[in-house]
Amino acid sequence: DGGITQSPKYLFRKEGQNVTLSCEQNLNHDAMYWYRQDPGQGLRLIYYSQIVNDFQKGDIAEGYSVSREKKESFPLTVTSAQKNPTAFYLCASSTRTSPATNEKLFFGSGTQLSVL
Amino acid sequence: GQQVMQIPQYQHVQEGEDFTTYCNSSTTLSNIQWYKQRPGGHPVFLIQLVKSGEVKKQKRLTFQFGEAKKNSSLHITATQTTDVGTYFCAGLGIPGTYKYIFGTGTRLKVLA
Repeated sequence: DGGITQSPKYLFRKEGQNVTLSCEQNLNHDAMYWYRQDPGQGLRLIYYSQIVNDFQKGDIAEGYSVSREKKESFPLTVTSAQKNPTAFYLCASSTRTSPATNEKLFFGSGTQLSVL
Repeated sequence: GQQVMQIPQYQHVQEGEDFTTYCNSSTTLSNIQWYKQRPGGHPVFLIQLVKSGEVKKQKRLTFQFGEAKKNSSLHITATQTTDVGTYFCAGLGIPGTYKYIFGTGTRLKVLA
């Protein structure tokens, strides 16, 4: 089955620790995204990547880092600099059509990150 | 920066009643998309609107894009318990960036 796989489903972070959230897609999509979801605040864009080896900051990139070495993979690292990391993290991908108005986002099932 | 607000934040309705959520952007949008997230789930694409004033229907759901392309609405007629979830709008503010900004969401509860 084609889709987006996020792992782990639940993750706990100790103070001062970096953690990495995995996102893999086999949809052959060019664009990938990371969103953070907090209760009552909707989805906020952390980072997005339109193509391999390229990515841009979203609205709340501070304390996060990403890499895009392969088309299928877009891991997100939550660094110790992120002081309030507890949230639900959603990875998404899209086909990067032209124009961009033809895009639709496909989401993974998410990772709930909590601080110990 | 660009902001997309939705109202109301929460809505409880009796089954069979109608429901509407409104989406307002601080800037003109190239398009508007609507997603539904069931409790404990992830957002799923519902529909996209591109043209000014566009109206689309999906069974009991009616979607509208404002003339100025800064607002949108989703109306559900005769809600059912299966409509429960959070509805998000999302817009592409800057053409060519592939940067979708999501609204704050409206959580719908349907009482049987």
